[in-house]
Amino acid sequence: DAEITQSPRHKITETGRQVTLACHQTWNHNNMFWYRQDLGHGLRLIHYSYGVQDTNKGEVSDGYSVSRSNTEDLPLTLESAASSQTSVYFCASSSGARKETQYFGPGTRLLVL
Amino acid sequence: GENVEQHPSTLSVQEGDSAVIKCTYSDSASNYFPWYKQELGKRPQLIIDIRSNVGEKKDQRIAVTLNKTAKHFSLHITETQPEDSAVYFCAASKYNFNKFYFGSGTKLNVKP
Repeated sequence: DAEITQSPRHKITETGRQVTLACHQTWNHNNMFWYRQDLGHGLRLIHYSYGVQDTNKGEVSDGYSVSRSNTEDLPLTLESAASSQTSVYFCASSSGARKETQYFGPGTRLLVL
Repeated sequence: GENVEQHPSTLSVQEGDSAVIKCTYSDSASNYFPWYKQELGKRPQLIIDIRSNVGEKKDQRIAVTLNKTAKHFSLHITETQPEDSAVYFCAASKYNFNKFYFGSGTKLNVKP
């Protein structure tokens, strides 16, 4: 079955380290999104992509980067992890073409010590 | 950009009662409004959505209403059950851009 997966599901790292979170979808969706979820803030958009080689900043993009080299993957990189980036990270995808429903991955819980 | 506000932040109801969650948005160009349910430790999942050319949509015990003039939309759950206990998020977006702006969430507790 087509799906969207994230890895790792849990990660502990130290401040200053570079961390990459993986997101992979098998629906052949054009649109992919990264959100972070923190208590009291709901889901906030970090970066998004409408297709291969396309990336865009969301509302909380500082300290994060993404790249889209193929349709299936949108890895999220924390350049130099900070304690403020401790959060749950969700990847989502949608097909575009006026089919707006976003489907979420299972999430990655990141702890920065 | 768009600003979505959601109320209340927590809601406790007795099993069988109705629950209403309200959201307002700021961008009059927003035209798609989904609602997501997130159970503890799980991913958000779409439960219902509405487009701006429709005022109301129902799916069994769940309904969503939209008032474009006032820029607010609401989720209505009737005959609540314990399995409805979860965090609910509203969102707003524009068709062509497909970016979602989420509300801060409502934690619904249905007491047996």
